[in-house]
Amino acid sequence: NAGVMQNPRHLVRRRGQEARLRCSPMKGHSHVYWYRQLPEEGLKFMVYLQKENIIDESGMPKERFSAEFPKEGPSILRIQQVVRGDSAAYFCASSPRGTGGYEQYFGPGTRLTVT
Amino acid sequence: RKEVEQDPGPFNVPEGATVAFNCTYSNSASQSFFWYRQDCRKEPKLLMSVYSSGNEDGRFTAQLNRASQYISLLIRDSKLSDSATYLCVVNPGGADGLTFGKGTHLIIQP
Repeated sequence: NAGVMQNPRHLVRRRGQEARLRCSPMKGHSHVYWYRQLPEEGLKFMVYLQKENIIDESGMPKERFSAEFPKEGPSILRIQQVVRGDSAAYFCASSPRGTGGYEQYFGPGTRLTVT
Repeated sequence: RKEVEQDPGPFNVPEGATVAFNCTYSNSASQSFFWYRQDCRKEPKLLMSVYSSGNEDGRFTAQLNRASQYISLLIRDSKLSDSATYLCVVNPGGADGLTFGKGTHLIIQP
C-alpha cells in the first residue's frame, strides 16, 4: 500500500520561473493538504483540497500561489514567478476524512530551491 | 501568543532514560491532538494521537489536559533511534489544517 507520493523530490528554479509540485494521496484518501516548512521553522498549513474543490486556502499567500486537485491525477501546488523567499520544503499530506481530527499522513516533500 | 508552543531543546538524554516533553496550545476550541516525529530533512511521521483519557503505545505515553491546554509525551527506556525532533500538533477545528509547534529536539546519547 503506497504512501503519499510527491514529485519531484528536489526542484531548482531561477527567480521568475514557475514551480509545479505534485502530490498523490494514499490509496483510499480523498483529502489533501499542503504545508510549507521554511528553514529552521515549523510547518505551516497552506491549503486543504478535496477532489475538484478547494475547501480551505486560508494559509496560501494571496499572490502567485495556487492549488488544484482535479478529478483525475495528482494534486498540484503551483508557484508562479518564484522568489528566493519561496525556497522551502513543501509537504503534502492526505487523510481518509476531512473532519473529526483524522490523522494526516505526509509525503516525503519537495525541496524547492530558488536561485 | 504562539498557537502551539514547545521547548525547542535540545534535550540530551542518556540511552535507557525516561524523557518527557510538554507543549501548550492557545485555542481552547481545538479538537484533536497529535505527536509527530521528524528526522532531519525528512517528512513528519505520525507517532500517536492524544486523547483526554491518555493513551499508551509501547514505550510512549501521551496525555492531554484540556483545562490547562497542554499536551505531554513521555518516552520510557529511550533508544538511540528515538533521536529526532518531536512535533506537537493541534487541529484547531473549523479548518482542517493542522497547527504545528516548532518541535523539541531530542538527542539520545549512548
